[in-house]
Amino acid sequence: RKEVEQDPGPFNVPEGATVAFNCTYSNSASQSFFWYRQDCRKEPKLLMSVYSSGNEDGRFTAQLNRASQYISLLIRDSKLSDSATYLCVVNWEGSNYKLTFGKGTLLTVNP
Amino acid sequence: SQTIHQWPATLVQPVGSPLSLECTVEGTSNPNLYWYRQAAGRGLQLLFYSVGIGQISSEVPQNLSASRPQDRQFILSSKKLLLSDSGFYLCAWSVQGAAYEQYFGPGTRLTVT
Repeated sequence: RKEVEQDPGPFNVPEGATVAFNCTYSNSASQSFFWYRQDCRKEPKLLMSVYSSGNEDGRFTAQLNRASQYISLLIRDSKLSDSATYLCVVNWEGSNYKLTFGKGTLLTVNP
Repeated sequence: SQTIHQWPATLVQPVGSPLSLECTVEGTSNPNLYWYRQAAGRGLQLLFYSVGIGQISSEVPQNLSASRPQDRQFILSSKKLLLSDSGFYLCAWSVQGAAYEQYFGPGTRLTVT
């Protein structure tokens, strides 16, 4: 069975903290990886794609470790507006266009 | 730029009633289209996807059906709703044959009573 596992949290951190989320996936034949964020009662929004070499977008850094089959997301200098659920997403090779979503990790950034 | 619309935003329906949810995409041609459901406290479950007009693939056996009558229109239907059909229904699109990023509409929150 193809699964994506995340720590459900919740993670409660103060403003300015650095927080890291990890995600593991079960199928080594995976092709594409993403992080989405979902605000309460809203639709998921693409945060960033995850590339093999790792990638950074402002305060957000994503890493991929294919050998260990995990993906990470690091948020530096947390803002109140970062409070959301972060979803780890994987596309399996041969799955056509389908994505598999983790259940998400809830982050609350406190003042 | 591309936009995706869903309606209605919220819906309360009695058990046994029919359902029709609509999704339209603007600003792109021949997208892949998807219907997901997110039940309370659970992850996103892919219900249907479509790579073209009239082409529907079903992911799980259920009380729902989907249709794609036009290139950028995707409809989710049921003849008789069950209590278990309650949830947050999300439509998404992606570029045909591309990098797999999917973009979601605002969703419909369905409560079956």
